[in-house]
Amino acid sequence: AQTVTQSQPEMSVQEAETVTLSCTYDTSESDYYLFWYKQPPSRQMILVIRQEAYKQQNATENRFSVNFQKAAKSFSLKISDSQLGDAAMYFCAYSSSGTYKYIFGTGTRLKVLA
Amino acid sequence: DGGITQSPKYLFRKEGQNVTLSCEQNLNHDAMYWYRQDPGQGLRLIYYSQIVNDFQKGDIAEGYSVSREKKESFPLTVTSAQKNPTAFYLCASSIIGQLFNEKLFFGSGTQLSVL
Repeated sequence: AQTVTQSQPEMSVQEAETVTLSCTYDTSESDYYLFWYKQPPSRQMILVIRQEAYKQQNATENRFSVNFQKAAKSFSLKISDSQLGDAAMYFCAYSSSGTYKYIFGTGTRLKVLA
Repeated sequence: DGGITQSPKYLFRKEGQNVTLSCEQNLNHDAMYWYRQDPGQGLRLIYYSQIVNDFQKGDIAEGYSVSREKKESFPLTVTSAQKNPTAFYLCASSIIGQLFNEKLFFGSGTQLSVL
């Protein structure tokens, strides 16, 4: 069975600095998708970034980028120029292509210090 | 605007009572999901459905039931058999069959508490 592990329950970053959140996953599939979702205090889940496993190029969305290491089954999220609005829970998620079943990690709470 | 509507936002259950959480989407998505969120445990899949009149158990289906009579609707019933129902419940949906467009869209959630 596929699993997603986020080993950092909580992280802190100074405003305007860079922080990296870690995620590892376990799968025997070769075709899959990886996601980072943000859950602010409102508890609305927001898609931050998405990566297709077949793509070697790391996905980027403005200040958010990933480091996708397929062989190591690692998918970390880097947030540059951190802002107070980035404070939230961040969830890593996995989906095997064509299954439409999404598995989530336990989340990392990010605090941004002014 | 298209989206997923969950109601109510807050729900209280008495001992021995069944309660139903509503989830409606107007995104024309085929697949719908229910997740349970507890502090420190992330999101755990309860049930999911990829087509009308069909659904599959997720990892923690015991004590819950669902129906999918319409494409737009996927209600979740928390039965009296669920002994620890206090949690935040999230409904989600996704497109099926569009390559490179697989992702989840979420509702705003329902907080269920036991009286």
